[in-house]
Formats: sequence, structure tokens, C-alpha cells
Amino acid sequence: GQSLEQPSEVTAVEGAIVQINCTYQTSGFYGLSWYQQHDGGAPTFLSYNALDGLEETGRFSSFLSRSDSYGYLLLQELQMKDSASYFCAVRLPFGQNFVFGPGTRLSVLP
Amino acid sequence: GAGVSQSPSNKVTEKGKDVELRCDPISGHTALYWYRQSLGQGLEFLIYFQGNSAPDKSGLPSDRFSAERTGGSVSTLTIQRTQQEDSAVYLCASSPGRALNTGELFFGEGSRLTVL
Repeated sequence: GQSLEQPSEVTAVEGAIVQINCTYQTSGFYGLSWYQQHDGGAPTFLSYNALDGLEETGRFSSFLSRSDSYGYLLLQELQMKDSASYFCAVRLPFGQNFVFGPGTRLSVLP
Repeated sequence: GAGVSQSPSNKVTEKGKDVELRCDPISGHTALYWYRQSLGQGLEFLIYFQGNSAPDKSGLPSDRFSAERTGGSVSTLTIQRTQQEDSAVYLCASSPGRALNTGELFFGEGSRLTVL
């Protein structure tokens, strides 16, 4: 089956840089997405990598390496409001289903 | 409204009762998804609609779960004879059909279901 793995928790201090990894076991997919979800809120889209390499959007960057079955989300200049859960997701090639990882809970400390 | 709207936001029901959860996608979005999220867990895929048809319903956990979409817009997820393990937040998401190339889904706030 298709599966994605993420660390369950990450802790960092305000102003720091943190990297959240996503490794996957799937025979192929269209791209890797990242979502942020605050407690009790809806997941919101952050970034998408269709191709290998780095995508940058403000303080957030995302990276994909298909050859290594690996991607990551990089958050810079951490702020307290970045405390949330972060999910990676892939769209499978033979259906329209997006498969989500288990999520990483980020805690930003003052 | 501009976003995906779900109702009810909270539903408490007794074991064995039927429940209906509603999703209003963003206007013009042809793709609609239902996911389930248990407390502190990831998102579990339930069903996908393209227009009014459901080409992928592989995630429905049992025949107690069903969903329909009418007019290419509103969708209803129905759970019959609810069980305690059905307690979760049910999330609806939509996207423009071909914008799947961007990997972006637009989620609603979810319907929190509690089965006593």
C-alpha cells in the first residue's frame, strides 16, 4: 500500500529554523503537498512540489527528491503562531485520492 | 461564502442512530473529497467526487457509510447505525478539477461527530 512517515513531534524556539521530514513508500505519485492545521481548525495548503527540488514561499520552503523517496518542509524565522500540526500528502497516480501522512506537531517555544 | 462550508459543526448522537453531514464546496469546484480525522491523528480518505459521480469510494470503512453529491455542488455523507468508533471530525475539501496539478485542496472546518 501507500504510506507516508513523519516525525510525530518537533519542538523549536522562536526565530529558529526547523525542518519537518516526510518519507514515503509509493510506486509513484504526481507531487508532494504540505498542509498546516491549527488545533480545531481546517487544514490549509502551504506548498506543492511537482518536480524535484526546492520551492520557496516566504518563510516556508519545501523540497522533494523522488530518487530518495523523501521530502521536507522548512520553516524559517519561527513565530509562535507557527505552532500547529503539519501534514505531507501525495496524489496517487491511478486515482484521484490524496493520501496524507500522520502529521507532525510543531511546538514553538518563546 | 467564499470557502467550503460544512454543517453541522458539532453533532452528538446515540449509538445506532443515523446521521447526515453536509458539505457546500467552493462555487465552481468540480472535485469534492471527504476525509475523517480522529483525535490527534492524520486524515483518512473516505470518498472522492468528480461532478456528481464518485470514481473513488475505496475509503468508505463499511456499508454503513454512503455519500452523494447533487447538482455538482452540495454533498451529503450519511452514516447509518452509528457506532462509537465513528466518533471523529469529518472534513470536506474541494478543488477545481484540473487544479489537481497544484496539489491544493480547500478544506472546510469539519463536522465533529460524537457517538455516545
